[in-house]
Amino acid sequence: DIVMTQSPLSLSVTPGQPASISCRSSQSLLTSDGKTYFYWYLQKPGQPPQLLIYDVSSRLSGVPDRFSGSGSGTDFTLKISRVEAEDVGVYYCMQAIQLPLTFGPGTKVDIE
Amino acid sequence: EVQLVESGGGLVQPGGSLRLSCAASGFTLRNNWMHWVRQAPGMGLVWVSRIKNDGENIDYADSVKGRFTISTDNANNMLYLQMNSLRVEDTAVYYCVTGAGPWGQGTLVTVSS
Repeated sequence: DIVMTQSPLSLSVTPGQPASISCRSSQSLLTSDGKTYFYWYLQKPGQPPQLLIYDVSSRLSGVPDRFSGSGSGTDFTLKISRVEAEDVGVYYCMQAIQLPLTFGPGTKVDIE
Repeated sequence: EVQLVESGGGLVQPGGSLRLSCAASGFTLRNNWMHWVRQAPGMGLVWVSRIKNDGENIDYADSVKGRFTISTDNANNMLYLQMNSLRVEDTAVYYCVTGAGPWGQGTLVTVSS
């Protein structure tokens, strides 16, 4: 199985300040067709997860542009340019290149 | 608008069975990967199973293989998860998921004596 690790596991951020979460996979997520099946989800308190970023860096429609994804191969980053109160929750990375699909352990983000 | 609504969860004894349902609207199940993902209380997300094209393509996590069966009723746009031989460690909220669509609220399965 591909193991996904995230750092940090918790993050306390001042509103208006940037935040960054890293995710690393135990093997490359690049396929032979040049695609990278890597995703970022946010689970707000008491809610189901919601997709933020797909294919490493593509924002889902409706996701604020303060969220950006980057990376390649085995190392990926989610950046929030200016954290807002509504961004609190647990952020999960996920790979879909190989079964079983696997998620990172989650990074809990709260507001200072 | 894409919407997924799960149902069928509840309290069941170890060794028992439950059938989860997921009603999909706003899109057609056929030709889309449909997944079940679960989340134990206070824990992270774990992929359980997926299906596409009326069962032509079906996959399971090792932890549920041989005990769980995923299926669809494309005529009614429904996804199912038949869960047999349930274990305490199967306790979780079960979500049905499709691609980039919104997740449902999930249905809680509690396996306990």
